[in-house]
Amino acid sequence: DIQMTQSPSSLSASVGDRVTITCQASQDISEYLNWYQQKPGKAPKLLIYDASNLESGVTSRFSGGGSGTDFTFTITSLQAEDIATYYCQQYDHIPPTFGGGTKVEIK
Amino acid sequence: QVQLVQSGAEVKKPGASVKVSCKASGYSFTSHYLHWVRQAPGQRLEWMGIINPSGGSTSYAEKFQGRVTLTRATSTSTVYMELSSLTSEDTAVYYCARAQAPYNWNYQFDYWGQGTLVTVSS
Repeated sequence: DIQMTQSPSSLSASVGDRVTITCQASQDISEYLNWYQQKPGKAPKLLIYDASNLESGVTSRFSGGGSGTDFTFTITSLQAEDIATYYCQQYDHIPPTFGGGTKVEIK
Repeated sequence: QVQLVQSGAEVKKPGASVKVSCKASGYSFTSHYLHWVRQAPGQRLEWMGIINPSGGSTSYAEKFQGRVTLTRATSTSTVYMELSSLTSEDTAVYYCARAQAPYNWNYQFDYWGQGTLVTVSS
């Protein structure tokens, strides 16, 4: 199975800060990568698909990029409602696999 | 609006089986494949399998082969996930999730159920 490694595992930032999360795949996955947001006690929510495409209805403060093995997820201006854990997920190879998550908190 | 509503929490003994349901509404049930993903406490999300609600074909993660069975009832727009030979390591929240693109084996999950906690304990 493809291993997905996210960093950092947690971060604390101020409202208005730019926040970047990275995700590294154990082998080339082209752009077959998605990003999800999960708030405590809730199901994950799809934010970005195919590495850089914003899901319908999702704020444009979120963006994604990268290809091959290295990917980024960025929040351009952190808001209080963005407090959550973020996961990357690859689907180039079956089974699809997820990263370990990045917990984002407000400083 | 699209909704996936799952059955309630379960407590099972080791060695037992559990069957979780996921009722879809707000879209054509047979147009989108449905996945099952689980999340054990403190662990990352883990994909279990996929079912085509139209024909009933399935594909399972190798880890769960022989232990998991996905079925569907088109008359009630419901899919089911049954997991057998439970151990404490199966304690997790189980989610159903819809494939984003219609009519294909798509692995982007655009709508999720609320989750069902399955606790395995003697």
